[in-house]
Amino acid sequence: GESVGLHLPTLSVQEGDNSIINCAYSNSASDYFIWYKQESGKGPQFIIDIRSNMDKRQGQRVTVLLNKTVKHLSLQIAATQPGDSAVYFCAEKTSNTGKLIFGQGTTLQVKP
Amino acid sequence: EAQVTQNPRYLITVTGKKLTVTCSQNMNHEYMSWYRQDPGLGLRQIYYSMNVEVTDKGDVPEGYKVSRKEKRNFPLILESPSPNQTSLYFCASIPSGTSGLSSYNEQFFGPGTRLTVL
Repeated sequence: GESVGLHLPTLSVQEGDNSIINCAYSNSASDYFIWYKQESGKGPQFIIDIRSNMDKRQGQRVTVLLNKTVKHLSLQIAATQPGDSAVYFCAEKTSNTGKLIFGQGTTLQVKP
Repeated sequence: EAQVTQNPRYLITVTGKKLTVTCSQNMNHEYMSWYRQDPGLGLRQIYYSMNVEVTDKGDVPEGYKVSRKEKRNFPLILESPSPNQTSLYFCASIPSGTSGLSSYNEQFFGPGTRLTVL
């Protein structure tokens, strides 16, 4: 079946360093890929999305890269801060349905 | 304040006792959805609704019902809860009913409902 997965369950980085969180997906028909951040005790929060016809999109301190050849998605966080500590989920969606499939999540720990 | 609210936030119940988790949004969003979150399994979509009176199954709809009689509310109903439905549940909404056709993917999530079925 369809699946979206993240490579590492936990990533630990030093404050100020850049973080890279990876995700592999399997459904070639997905039109959109989305990153969410979930802080402890809260619901997920939208970070950034990218359409399948793009390979890079930048936001504030975040960049999402999409490699359709190897079905790989990554989220880069520049100058990681303690407030970035959270669980990060990737998700995929096809434009003709309302279905959203999430990966399992990567916990980002930022060391001061 | 624009938000998605869920009630109750915490619930402990027993097998077979019908329950409803309410979800309400005050942003006039057309699309609403329910997810459950379990350790090691991430977020899985239960049901979603593209608009009033339109609901569709997600990946794990078994044992759940939903209704969408008005735009702001999207209750999740467990007719006969079982222990395997013990989970953390999230409701979410998106502004456009045609969100599946647009690039607007910013879902607004509620705070979550932690359900324990004994």
